[in-house]
Amino acid sequence: GQQLNQSPQSMFIQEGEDVSMNCTSSSIFNTWLWYKQDPGEGPVLLIALYKAGELTSNGRLTAQFGITRKDSFLNISASIPSDVGIYFCAGQLSPYTNAGKSTFGDGTTLTVKP
Amino acid sequence: GAVVSQHPSWVICKSGTSVKIECRSLDFQATTMFWYRQFPKQSLMLMATSNEGSKATYEQGVEKDKFLINHASLTLSTLTVTSAHPEDSSFYICSARGSEAGPPREQFFGPGTRLTVL
Repeated sequence: GQQLNQSPQSMFIQEGEDVSMNCTSSSIFNTWLWYKQDPGEGPVLLIALYKAGELTSNGRLTAQFGITRKDSFLNISASIPSDVGIYFCAGQLSPYTNAGKSTFGDGTTLTVKP
Repeated sequence: GAVVSQHPSWVICKSGTSVKIECRSLDFQATTMFWYRQFPKQSLMLMATSNEGSKATYEQGVEKDKFLINHASLTLSTLTVTSAHPEDSSFYICSARGSEAGPPREQFFGPGTRLTVL
């Protein structure tokens, strides 16, 4: 089946620093999604990407859909303590087949030191 | 909009009992709901996909008779863990997707249910 490699597995940064994480796949996805999960809660959608090459921002977050459709990255600028959590990428082969099933990466755990 | 709730948020049960978890889409009609399982510090593992009014599609390795899924209406899906054992202890999360909840590609997740089997 399809697999997503998400890196880094964890990051420890100082407040105010920028963060970058990425996901790569051995096969093509037609949609890339980035989620954040706080402890004991469900994931919350941060950014959705629908076209190869697309660059989308949501506040301090920026994500890009790789041109090969096999990768995506998420950047967080000027990190703050509330950015702490686990970030997951997810790829969808098609929104119209497989009921839009998503494949998830293993997550990047972000720790921000004040 | 696009709020998904789960009930209960946590449950502790004895080995051998059955536990039902509800997933509701509060402000949209969910044509498709997904059930995931998550172990500590791990990613979400898709267990099954359910479409309203039809049988759920289970992922490979997930026991259909152990994890019963019912999606009887466009706003409610239930997961019943039958004859639960300690190895079933996990964080169970549902997500919902519907034509009215923004772009059809998006899934909205519930807050999760922590199951502990003693």
